[in-house]
Amino acid sequence: DAKTTQPPSMDCAEGRAANLPCNHSTISGNEYVYWYRQIHSQGPQYIIHGLKNNETNEMASLIITEDRKSSTLILPHATLRDTAVYYCIVRAIYNQGGKLIFGQGTELSVKP
Amino acid sequence: GAGVSQTPSNKVTEKGKYVELRCDPISGHTALYWYRQSLGQGPEFLIYFQGTGAADDSGLPNDRFFAVRPEGSVSTLKIQRTERGDSAVYLCASSSSPSSYNEQFFGPGTRLTVL
Repeated sequence: DAKTTQPPSMDCAEGRAANLPCNHSTISGNEYVYWYRQIHSQGPQYIIHGLKNNETNEMASLIITEDRKSSTLILPHATLRDTAVYYCIVRAIYNQGGKLIFGQGTELSVKP
Repeated sequence: GAGVSQTPSNKVTEKGKYVELRCDPISGHTALYWYRQSLGQGPEFLIYFQGTGAADDSGLPNDRFFAVRPEGSVSTLKIQRTERGDSAVYLCASSSSPSSYNEQFFGPGTRLTVL
């Protein structure tokens, strides 16, 4: 699975959009982009995933560039409860067993 | 419905002792994963079960670590002759299938401290 690069930390004002970038320049055509987050003292939680089209669900939006070398997770109206470490993970479509390879993630702090 | 549960939530043991960590996956989930998370790091894959069999144990650090899932539901991670470096949060996750399309649901973890 391709490696991802994320900034170690970011701040966001409550009520504003949080835009979390991820670089995955070595991604191959059969790899999805997944996002998970981990709130302090909890297990990771799935947010969203996509292949090449932009995706939106009740939690967030995922914007993948046309060349698929980078993506941005958008939390449209961040709340204090969105403070967490956000992990961008690249994973092959036919990944045997589906194990997740986590990097260091981005620690997002939402401030009042 | 109930999520993934792990027991105990905290375990303190002495160097050299044996420990067992338990994971109860979501009912009906055939895929089960164990991860280990050291302070300040992302979770690190240990082992994956599909049903009763360990389909991928490439992440187990050495032969002191072993895991079982005898009936395809509950899993136990066993660590022999614990070392201080084994101190970490051990996370369990389950998925309805191992397909890349299926999200993994994580438990709250067991915090293991080896003194």
